Amino acid sequence: DGGITQSPKYLFRKEGQNVTLSCEQNLNHDAMYWYRQDPGQGLRLIYYSQIVNDFQKGDIAEGYSVSREKKESFPLTVTSAQKNPTAFYLCASSTGTSGRSTDTQYFGPGTRLTVL
Amino acid sequence: AQKVTQAQTEISVVEKEDVTLDCVYETRDTTYYLFWYKQPPSGELVFLIRRNSFDEQNEISGRYSWNFQKSTSSFNFTITASQVVDSAVYFCALGLTWGGSQGNLIFGKGTKLSVKP
Repeated sequence: DGGITQSPKYLFRKEGQNVTLSCEQNLNHDAMYWYRQDPGQGLRLIYYSQIVNDFQKGDIAEGYSVSREKKESFPLTVTSAQKNPTAFYLCASSTGTSGRSTDTQYFGPGTRLTVL
Repeated sequence: AQKVTQAQTEISVVEKEDVTLDCVYETRDTTYYLFWYKQPPSGELVFLIRRNSFDEQNEISGRYSWNFQKSTSSFNFTITASQVVDSAVYFCALGLTWGGSQGNLIFGKGTKLSVKP
């Protein structure tokens, strides 16, 4: 089955630790995205990547880092510099190299990160 | 400014009632896309519909229908004969074609729909 997988589903982190969230897709999509969702809020873009070895900051990139070494993988690292990392993180992908927001984005199941 | 407003924070209906979720957007672009997503309690966003700004025809898909009106900058979503499985948070989103928001879907804050048996 084609789709997007995110792991782990739940993640607990101590303050001061970096943590990496996994996102893998087998849809052969060029563009991938990371969003953050806080309770009662819409989604906010952290980073997006239009193509391998290239990525762009979104609206709230501070305290996060990404890599795109393979087409199917776009891991997100939440660093200790992120002041309020507890949130629900959603990964998405879409067709097209433009990474335009006009393309339909398909989402993974999400990772819920809690900082203890 | 680009913005999506979903004024209804929560809606509660009884099964088989019809319900309309409102979405109002703001953009100066003439070319844009509008989306609706469903987020069930499991958390994953499920794509429902994508509409471009040049296509104002209403769309119906089973019990779902969408009413796009450029004159009022609205893209409302109606569920006919609601079912318990429709209970979810529904997001409206705006996609732009240029500028700093190229990679960005601009989401509303969502409307939580509860359908009671």
